[in-house]
Amino acid sequence: EAGVTQFPSHSVIEKGQTVTLRCDPISGHDNLYWYRRVMGKEIKFLLHFVKESKQDESGMPNNRFLAERTGGTYSTLKVQPAELEDSGVYFCASSQDATTGNEQYFGPGTRLTVT
Amino acid sequence: QQPVQSPQAVILREGEDAVINCSSSKALYSVHWYRQKHGEAPVFLMILLKGGEQKGHEKISASFNEKKQQSSLYLTASQLSYSGTYFCGTEGNAGGTSYGKLTFGQGTILTVHP
Repeated sequence: EAGVTQFPSHSVIEKGQTVTLRCDPISGHDNLYWYRRVMGKEIKFLLHFVKESKQDESGMPNNRFLAERTGGTYSTLKVQPAELEDSGVYFCASSQDATTGNEQYFGPGTRLTVT
Repeated sequence: QQPVQSPQAVILREGEDAVINCSSSKALYSVHWYRQKHGEAPVFLMILLKGGEQKGHEKISASFNEKKQQSSLYLTASQLSYSGTYFCGTEGNAGGTSYGKLTFGQGTILTVHP
C-alpha cells in the first residue's frame, strides 16, 4: 500500500511569489490533514478535510493560505503571496475513519523556504 | 494548548532503556506517538485512548494516565534504529468537529550510540 506522498519535497521562492503544495493521501482515506512545522517550533495543525469538505480550518494562519481538495482525492495548499514567516516544513497526513482516536499517516513533508 | 515533552534530548548506548513523557494541562481523549528521522515522514507508533484502549506496534510500550493527563513512551533495549525525534500529539475532544486535530509537543531527540 502506497503511503502519503507530497510534492515537491523542497521549494525555494521569493517573498511575494506563489507556491502550491500537493498531497496525495493513502487511497481510501477520507480524512486529510495539513500541518506545518516552523523551524525550532512544534508541528502545528492547519486544517482538516473530510472528503472534499473542510471540516476544521481553525489553524490556517491567514487568507494568504488556500487549501482545496477537489473530488475528495488529492489536496493542494496554495500560499499567495508568500511571506518570510511562511518558511517551514508542511506535512500532510491522512486517516481512514471519521472518529476520534484514529491513527494518522504522515507524508515526508514539503520544505518551503521563502527568501 | 501545546503538551510538554520531557526530556528534550536523550543519549543512549545500544541496549539501554529510556522513557519519554508527554504532559498536557487540558483533558485529553487520546495521545498519539510518532518518531521522525531527519528528512523523513513522522512514523506512527501508537495511540492511547481514554478508557485504556491502545493501538499500535507490538514492540512499543506506552501508558496514559487520564487523571494526570500524562503519557509515557517506554523504549527498552534500544537499538540504533530507535534514533530520531519523538513527538506526542494530543487530541482533546471526543467527537465534534475537531476530531483528528492533533496538538503536538516540541519533540524529544533520542540518539542511540553503538
